[in-house]
Amino acid sequence: SQKIEQNSEALNIQEGKTATLTCNYTNYSPAYLQWYRQDPGRGPVFLLLIRENEKEKRKERLKVTFDTTLKQSLFHITASQPADSATYLCALEDSGYALNFGKGTSLLVTP
Amino acid sequence: DVKVTQSSRYLVKRTGEKVFLECVQDMDHENMFWYRQDPGLGLRLIYFSYDVKMKEKGDIPEGYSVSREKKERFSLILESASTNQTSMYLCASSSRRGAYGYTFGSGTRLTVV
Repeated sequence: SQKIEQNSEALNIQEGKTATLTCNYTNYSPAYLQWYRQDPGRGPVFLLLIRENEKEKRKERLKVTFDTTLKQSLFHITASQPADSATYLCALEDSGYALNFGKGTSLLVTP
Repeated sequence: DVKVTQSSRYLVKRTGEKVFLECVQDMDHENMFWYRQDPGLGLRLIYFSYDVKMKEKGDIPEGYSVSREKKERFSLILESASTNQTSMYLCASSSRRGAYGYTFGSGTRLTVV
């Protein structure tokens, strides 16, 4: 069966450090992978999309890598700030039209 | 600002009631989706629609139906609400195959008592 796995343990880091979140998947052949941010009680917000032929993508302090051989994506936030504290979701599309989401990793950035 | 608007932020309904959750998007997106989110289970797809009057079952369609009579509006219907349908319901829309990301609404926290 298809699975998207994200580290269920919360990630606690100090302000200014780089946060790295992992997304592993099985039984997908995705054309692209997406990352979302979700704050408590709110809907997810789209951050980045990376295509299968892209190894790396950057947007401001965010960087995403995509290794289709390892079936893994890494999501980095550099120079992290307390405002980056949230849950981050990885998402892949199945053979239809809808995204499947991982359960997310909670990030806490402390001053 | 483009947006997806869900009709209610919080809703309390009684067991057995028919419940309508409404979602409207102003981005002229072809695709619309309903998810529910529960602690420890993540986001689960209930139904989606890629065109007016079209609908596809997601992973957990039992106990739900949907309606899409206009491109901008996608309604989720709980035919006979049950306590196990207490959840956060999230509507989303996307253009084409979602190659540009989904836009989510703020969610409806439904409690069935």
